[in-house]
Amino acid sequence: EPEVTQTPSHQVTQMGQEVILRCVPISNHLYFYWYRQILGQKVEFLVSFYNNEISEKSEIFDDQFSVERPDGSNFTLKIRSTKLEDSAMYFCASRDLDLSTGELFFGEGSRLTVL
Amino acid sequence: RKEVEQDPGPFNVPEGATVAFNCTYSNSASQSFFWYRQDCRKEPKLLMSVYSSGNEDGRFTAQLNRASQYISLLIRDSKLSDSATYLCVVKKGGGFKTIFGAGTRLFVKA
Repeated sequence: EPEVTQTPSHQVTQMGQEVILRCVPISNHLYFYWYRQILGQKVEFLVSFYNNEISEKSEIFDDQFSVERPDGSNFTLKIRSTKLEDSAMYFCASRDLDLSTGELFFGEGSRLTVL
Repeated sequence: RKEVEQDPGPFNVPEGATVAFNCTYSNSASQSFFWYRQDCRKEPKLLMSVYSSGNEDGRFTAQLNRASQYISLLIRDSKLSDSATYLCVVKKGGGFKTIFGAGTRLFVKA
């Protein structure tokens, strides 16, 4: 069964450092997403990406965040200068062309710990 | 008002019980509705989509009331393996953003 894969599974970084989280969405999917979940809190939308550009983003997704699809398979989330409050589980998700079903397929997540 | 609101629970029920979760959403332009399940420290996974006419999948029944902007999930004959957090999820028509509720915790006890 095709799946969304994410790396790393866990990253520990110092405040102020840059972090890149990587995702390989399901191959025939066209819509890509990043969500985050702070421990014990809800799953929060960060950004959606379609046709090689950001389609929507939340207020959380400020100038410190960026996304890229550099090579047609990977989908990355970069945090330029991490803050303590960026510590969370980051989930990548993808969806196919059929928007009517709307099912998001999630990766297992990348846990980011900022010290 | 929160975009998607759920009772956080927890709901503690014995095996075999029937339990119902409710969810309300604020944006009347919402067009797609889902229930996802999330196990502790795992990724969300789709449990079922919610259709206007209501739909059933085995022990699970989902209902949608557009007039009241309300979605429900009924679980019959609860199993220990149903213990999880159930997430109400809403997508606005014509948009990409899919919004998650904070989830309702369910514990099924032997």
